[in-house]
Amino acid sequence: AQSVTQPDIHITVSEGASLELRCNYSYGATPYLFWYVQSPGQGLQLLLKYFSGDTLVQGIKGFEAEFKRSQSSFNLRKPSVHWSDAAEYFCAVGARSGNTPLVFGKGTRLSVIA
Amino acid sequence: EAGVAQSPRYKIIEKRQSVAFWCNPISGHATLYWYQQILGQGPKLLIQFQNNGVVDDSQLPKDRFSAERLKGVDSTLKIQPAKLEDSAVYLCASSLVSGRLQYFGAGTRLSVL
Repeated sequence: AQSVTQPDIHITVSEGASLELRCNYSYGATPYLFWYVQSPGQGLQLLLKYFSGDTLVQGIKGFEAEFKRSQSSFNLRKPSVHWSDAAEYFCAVGARSGNTPLVFGKGTRLSVIA
Repeated sequence: EAGVAQSPRYKIIEKRQSVAFWCNPISGHATLYWYQQILGQGPKLLIQFQNNGVVDDSQLPKDRFSAERLKGVDSTLKIQPAKLEDSAVYLCASSLVSGRLQYFGAGTRLSVL
């Protein structure tokens, strides 16, 4: 069965500092990979996705993520965090075939301090 | 392009009452999903529709939850009777192709007292 682990429940970074949010997945083959962001009281907004090709993917708001097959990881990074990035971040995996649903991690809450 | 629309945004009910949520997906999206997101957790799929047929409802508590997608467009999710543990955000999502990019609505926050 697919599973997603986000080891960090809560991370606090200073504005302007770099950020890395970890995501590890368990899946029998190469899955589709996604990062979503959720601001308080809002739905999930897609930050970026990996389907195939270049393992370093660029997303919106200056985020990027790198797919590492050998480590079953898809970590999210941003070189310089802005106060508006404070939110909940979810990593998700999906199957490449069939109708199996996305499986989400439990999320990492990001706080940004001045 | 209009996004996924959900209503209401908030609902407060007492346990054993019934409640219904509505979702209008992005135009042309054949696949529609309902997720339950309990505080502090990631979304969990309740049911997935392909057009107006159910693809996956394995995690839907069928003794109290029901969902339909008439005409393959709008969908409603109903809870009857509600329990305290149903307090959560109910998210609707749609995608053009099953399993690919999913677009989420803002969700309905349900509080069961």
